[in-house]
Amino acid sequence: QSVLTQPPSASGTPGQRVTISCSGSISNIGNNTVNWYQQLPGTAPKLLIYSNNQRPSGVPDRFSGSKSGTSASLAISGLQSEDEADYSCAAWDHSLTGVVFGGGTKLTVL
Amino acid sequence: QVQLQESGPGLVKPSQTLSLTCTVSGGSISSGSYYWNWIRQSAGKGLEWIGRIFTSGNTNYNPSLKSRVSISVDTSKNQFSLKLSSVTAADTAVYYCAAGSWFILWGQGTLVTVSS
Repeated sequence: QSVLTQPPSASGTPGQRVTISCSGSISNIGNNTVNWYQQLPGTAPKLLIYSNNQRPSGVPDRFSGSKSGTSASLAISGLQSEDEADYSCAAWDHSLTGVVFGGGTKLTVL
Repeated sequence: QVQLQESGPGLVKPSQTLSLTCTVSGGSISSGSYYWNWIRQSAGKGLEWIGRIFTSGNTNYNPSLKSRVSISVDTSKNQFSLKLSSVTAADTAVYYCAAGSWFILWGQGTLVTVSS
């Protein structure tokens, strides 16, 4: 049981816009920034979004993040087949004094 | 370009101590102010943060693992290490080392199986 809650799966067709949600509480998302990670099959996770909505160098602007209250979202526009991966959110939790992750969302490009 | 590489036994017996090392190449582990992290992922499950060590040596651990975990840094070897004691089958996972507060850089991961 993960501290942050994500839907286990999401899907879309090429070119579509999809969003993945991440729900937490006041002790994590509510008072700290959210990061998102992309994990392609058989590879290590990669930082996709940091500080709620910032993209590291090299991440396409098709990927965007937002946060409101105790929830965050990752949006992927212009969906491509290579976006098929697992996506996980994470945040610092000041009650647990540690980093907490969501359970991950498997994105399928139909 | 900084790279991380995990190393250690792929098989550990139940009740023993799991020991892994992360070697940092392409940069100094003691330059700048960085957190060095361990994260694991059991088969088909989500990521679990194990803990981290700051450049100064300060540590933070996942409360659910705190009694069994120790993370240390060896600046002379440009490495940081993980020890997890009293392991059980539930500790079988791919273990990753990662750099920074936001895990900006990851190692490729190493599978550790706990089995007799």
